[in-house]
Amino acid sequence: EAQVTQNPRYLITVTGKKLTVTCSQNMNHEYMSWYRQDPGLGLRQIYYSMNVEVTDKGDVPEGYKVSRKEKRNFPLILESPSPNQTSLYFCASSLLGMRNYGYTFGSGTRLTVV
Amino acid sequence: RKEVEQDPGPFNVPEGATVAFNCTYSNSASQSFFWYRQDCRKEPKLLMSVYSSGNEDGRFTAQLNRASQYISLLIRDSKLSDSATYLCVVNRVGAGGTSYGKLTFGQGTILTVHP
Repeated sequence: EAQVTQNPRYLITVTGKKLTVTCSQNMNHEYMSWYRQDPGLGLRQIYYSMNVEVTDKGDVPEGYKVSRKEKRNFPLILESPSPNQTSLYFCASSLLGMRNYGYTFGSGTRLTVV
Repeated sequence: RKEVEQDPGPFNVPEGATVAFNCTYSNSASQSFFWYRQDCRKEPKLLMSVYSSGNEDGRFTAQLNRASQYISLLIRDSKLSDSATYLCVVNRVGAGGTSYGKLTFGQGTILTVHP
């Protein structure tokens, strides 16, 4: 089944403790991206990647890191999480070069930083 | 001004009603457009892409007006299962159709269909 898989689904952590949220897709998509969703603010793009070793900042990159060493994986790293990073996070992937292809989202990771 | 704006609603309609949502965007550069549906606490799922000539998929019709920079979604014969948040999504693309990678979401329009 074609899908985007995020792990973990739920995570509670403490301020300052480094964490990684994994994202993997099995559709051979070039493009992958991370979003956070907060009440009243909607979905906002954190980082995106157009291909292996190519990453760029979205609208809210502060406090996050990403890497794209393999085409299928795009982990989101919080080096020193803070309570304002408590949010619902989504990873998405898509094909490039196909204008109206659309984006497939993972099931989400609900992160709480205390 | 937000890059993508939607009326947040909520829209409360009876089953069988026709309902329309609009979305405006501020960046006039070449774009691709989508409507996504999101159920509570779930991931957004693609409802339909929006083509320049407008397109229809069953009870759903999407329109694009480049001159006025808005897109619309029309739902006919509403079902209880249509209750969800509808997200307008805009992507910048280059002349060759390649995405620039920056996806912008509207805040979503909440639809509730009641019996």
